[in-house]
Amino acid sequence: RKEVEQDPGPFNVPEGATVAFNCTYSNSASQSFFWYRQDCRKEPKLLMSVYSSGNEDGRFTAQLNRASQYISLLIRDSKLSDSATYLCVVNGGKNGGSQGNLIFGKGTKLSVKP
Amino acid sequence: ETGVTQSPTHLIKTRGQQVTLRCSSQSGHNTVSWYQQALGQGPQFIFQYYREEENGRGNFPPRFSGLQFPNYSSELNVNALELDDSALYLCASSFNSSIGPGDCTGVFETQYFGPGTRLLVL
Repeated sequence: RKEVEQDPGPFNVPEGATVAFNCTYSNSASQSFFWYRQDCRKEPKLLMSVYSSGNEDGRFTAQLNRASQYISLLIRDSKLSDSATYLCVVNGGKNGGSQGNLIFGKGTKLSVKP
Repeated sequence: ETGVTQSPTHLIKTRGQQVTLRCSSQSGHNTVSWYQQALGQGPQFIFQYYREEENGRGNFPPRFSGLQFPNYSSELNVNALELDDSALYLCASSFNSSIGPGDCTGVFETQYFGPGTRLLVL
């Protein structure tokens, strides 16, 4: 099982749609979780951290399910400018071979159409 | 803008050559991580430096080496370049509150990425 798995997409949605991305991780010792956004040929930028209680930032909502080792990102009222690749990122955790570093999924591509 | 800078922005080398990439961390940060991102892939962890010492390494051969300086800036050196080394190299800075190298709590502050150096090996 890959350390961080995401559906690569692409997700093609119309403006105003609600879209949800899922991500699973294999290391149960992981303690920090993030969603990054990456535009074409640009560096990944932090979109939001993911907390156990769930958190919301405007149109974006992130959820974490530790029991299922599952993270989600919900985008409501999607805009053309939301078109990008969304990377699920997980901290390696103490028992992982990647202690202390962030492990990236391959990303889910979102394309929002007019 | 994250405050993390990298140089150069683009670089072309030939197979067998050596390259040095540079990164200046964000003010207040003491940890620098390096990632390699091949086209169409997510960034892969190369190594991390904390207080001038390597503090974790991914699955990269020894010809990938690094340095961190007292001002927390960092260099990534790659010797004997191969065609597959062509990629975007990302530097990320963060603040590690651990009390010493290797003494990792497992929870790190968020990493902030620089714009990257795009390396092409011919």
